[in-house]
Amino acid sequence: SQQGEEDPQALSIQEGENATMNCSYKTSINNLQWYRQNSGRGLVHLILIRSNEREKHSGRLRVTLDTSKKSSSLLITASRAADTASYFCATNDGNTGKLIFGQGTTLQVKP
Amino acid sequence: GAVVSQHPSWVICKSGTSVKIECRSLDFQATTMFWYRQFPKQSLMLMATSNEGSKATYEQGVEKDKFLINHASLTLSTLTVTSAHPEDSSFYICSASLSVYSGVDTQYFGPGTRLTVL
Repeated sequence: SQQGEEDPQALSIQEGENATMNCSYKTSINNLQWYRQNSGRGLVHLILIRSNEREKHSGRLRVTLDTSKKSSSLLITASRAADTASYFCATNDGNTGKLIFGQGTTLQVKP
Repeated sequence: GAVVSQHPSWVICKSGTSVKIECRSLDFQATTMFWYRQFPKQSLMLMATSNEGSKATYEQGVEKDKFLINHASLTLSTLTVTSAHPEDSSFYICSASLSVYSGVDTQYFGPGTRLTVL
């Protein structure tokens, strides 16, 4: 079953704008990861944030984690047309190694 | 970086036939591999966890007799869809992990296999 939900389900912005996606989950986690998927392709790992971390940066990506609210957000700054893709959060309980994916946000960046 | 390949990348078959999909870790040994299914415009659903040398662990609702998984070596896992039907048409993605117990959390994903059953 799906761990949680992501919102928005779809997001359309202009190149140069920032894009924010949110993810909520239901159970205890060891870490939360964000992945990108281009249409019809496999997943690319973007960033991992552990349950004892609150914020993490990687290039134009900024991820926050609020374990009290069981939520995370992914911010892409200065978006580019090449950022157009679906973005998924996935939680890991740290015991089984399983990743449980959110429903995803489809991002369209218009040039 | 760690690379995972899948073969074939796409396959079309007739209803009732069986299809085998291979997942290989090219430059590392994968203790654990995972198989996911993704329907159009939906998220990935975990089907099963495959550990080298042991039986796969299937998620609730996934028929183990229909989706046969074999993890014969540390670099190869196969998924066989037996007696495929049109409702089995989907995008099948595998991932490989160095070890789920060593603190290495990252899974490396294959490019996926698109199965179409006529």
